[in-house]
Amino acid sequence: DIQMTQSPSTLSASVGDRVTITCRASQSLSSRLAWYQQKPGQAPKLLIFKASNLEGGVPSRFSGRGSGTEFTLTISSLQPDDSATYYCQQYNFYPPTFGQGTKVEIK
Amino acid sequence: EVQLVQSGAEVKKPGESLRISCKGSGYSFSSYWIGWVRQTPEKGLEWMGIIYPGDSDTRYSPSFQGQVTMSIDKSIRTAYLQWSSLKASDTAIYYCGRPIGDLDAFEIWGQGTMVTVS
Repeated sequence: DIQMTQSPSTLSASVGDRVTITCRASQSLSSRLAWYQQKPGQAPKLLIFKASNLEGGVPSRFSGRGSGTEFTLTISSLQPDDSATYYCQQYNFYPPTFGQGTKVEIK
Repeated sequence: EVQLVQSGAEVKKPGESLRISCKGSGYSFSSYWIGWVRQTPEKGLEWMGIIYPGDSDTRYSPSFQGQVTMSIDKSIRTAYLQWSSLKASDTAIYYCGRPIGDLDAFEIWGQGTMVTVS
């Protein structure tokens, strides 16, 4: 299976900060990577697909970049509602695999 | 509104069987794959497999092949995930989801079903 490694595991930032999460794959994915947001007690929610495409209804402060083996999710101006755990997922190879998650906390 | 609604939490004993469900609404049920994802604190999110309601074509992750069975009842727009003999290690939250294609991100998710085996 393809290994997905996210960093950092946890980050704490202030409202208004620019925040970046990195996801590295053990093999090249082309651009077949998604980012999800999960809040406690809720299902994951799709934010970004094909590495950089914003899902409908997702605020424009979220953006994704990358290709190959290195990808990033950026929140341009952190808001209180962004407190959550974020996961990357590759879907270039069977079986699709997820990163271990990055917990974003608001200072 | 497109949505997937899952069955409620279950508490079972080791060795028992179980079937949980995921009902789709607001879209052409037969035209989209339905997938299942397991979440545990130890292993995080794990993709289990997908099934196509149109013809019941099913693709399992090797980690879950032979451990679970996915099925569909198109007449009631419902997907199922079942176990014939539960283990304590099956304790998890199980989510159904609708990927855009067979190998794709899940754009719609059910609310999750907590399964406790103890």
